[in-house]
Amino acid sequence: EMQLLASGGGLEQPGGSLRLSCAASGFTFRNYAMNWVRQAPGKGLEWVSGLSGSGVSTYYADSVKGRFTISRDNSKNTLFLQMNSLRDDDTAVYYCAKGNAYYYENSGYFLEYWGQGTLVTVSS
Amino acid sequence: DIQMTQSPSSLSASVGDRVTISCRASQSIRDNLNWYQQRPGQTPKLLIYMAFGLQSGVPSRFSGSGSGTDFNLTISSLQPEDFATYYCQQSSTIPYTFGQGTNLEIK
Repeated sequence: EMQLLASGGGLEQPGGSLRLSCAASGFTFRNYAMNWVRQAPGKGLEWVSGLSGSGVSTYYADSVKGRFTISRDNSKNTLFLQMNSLRDDDTAVYYCAKGNAYYYENSGYFLEYWGQGTLVTVSS
Repeated sequence: DIQMTQSPSSLSASVGDRVTISCRASQSIRDNLNWYQQRPGQTPKLLIYMAFGLQSGVPSRFSGSGSGTDFNLTISSLQPEDFATYYCQQSSTIPYTFGQGTNLEIK
């Protein structure tokens, strides 16, 4: 059974850092692009970041570019999101999601499976 | 960035009703349009991919249509478990933007 278990969320002050992890199981992790999507309290979904199966190609929303870094460890079936210079508007539930292809820029790309989220709260 | 606009933002309907939710892209995205369902307190779930592909395990009362800039999600006969928020997402151009969501409520 496919599983994505996100962790690492919590309360952090503005300007601080957090590192999110997403442990994957039930599929061949290295063969699929992966994603982070967030949802602020009571709001809609916002795509944050993604990377290819190898981890070489990475992509970011303008709102997080230069502050967040996505990466993966295919030997440990784990996806990461390093979040620096946190702001109040980064407060959200962060979901990791499995793509349907190896390459991120792939025609017909979609988010095939979503894990449960981890809550990040940025507040002083 | 490509802007995705859903209409309506909220919708009240009854069990058994046929409902259609629309999604418009700010430029052509061909058929690179996906639909997700999020029930209250739950994780989003893929319903439709590539405008009209039905994800495995999703009931056939869900269907998608459209291409270019205008797309629809139709539920042919609403069931109690269908009351949720629905999001479209384009996967034509990074960033892969979402619509603002349509909240489907029980009348």
